[in-house]
Amino acid sequence: NAGVTQTPKFQVLKTGQSMTLQCAQDMNHNSMYWYRQDPGMGLRLIYYSASEGTTDKGEVPNGYNVSRLNKREFSLRLESAAPSQTSVYFCASSDSRENSYEQYFGPGTRLTVT
Amino acid sequence: GQSLEQPSEVTAVEGAIVQINCTYQTSGFYGLSWYQQHDGGAPTFLSYNALDGLEETGRFSSFLSRSDSYGYLLLQELQMKDSASYFCAVPSGSARQLTFGSGTQLTVLP
Repeated sequence: NAGVTQTPKFQVLKTGQSMTLQCAQDMNHNSMYWYRQDPGMGLRLIYYSASEGTTDKGEVPNGYNVSRLNKREFSLRLESAAPSQTSVYFCASSDSRENSYEQYFGPGTRLTVT
Repeated sequence: GQSLEQPSEVTAVEGAIVQINCTYQTSGFYGLSWYQQHDGGAPTFLSYNALDGLEETGRFSSFLSRSDSYGYLLLQELQMKDSASYFCAVPSGSARQLTFGSGTQLTVLP
């Protein structure tokens, strides 16, 4: 099992460019998440998907859109990148069974917007 | 909303014991999670406490007091490889999405 995979690992964009961050999990998890982490800070939730076909906004959704393509894949799109979106982006997934609270994280995408 | 507070930095020597505290304010509470993150790496799950008391997993233990809105992570027999950031987090909502504290940078000295 690869767990949670993310592509690309690194990306540099110019202000105003768009891009899509890809995430896939092979653990048959129902729930998936996108977080961003700025230097010296905790992770902040951008969007999440409780199950295939549903998506909801998290704490910092402005400037982003998401697509839950199927149960495995959850993508994050920046339509018009801004320097404030320079960050490390983590995708995560979890099993929504009653006593399961662990989230599994991908390796991250390091994005710089100039 | 949710907010969590934890110290920004802790330093200890190899072989010692260190405690990382976390206080939280939440609307609706399932429990308290702890994650470890090495520099440049992904967060990895350490523990989850839904009930009051101490849960032990090897050298790491985690404690929760729901009445005090307080928990801590206890690391024993510290090793150099324990140098990392440690985050407390609370799950909420339909997807148990996490709200994280800002993290505690633990430095273990030889």
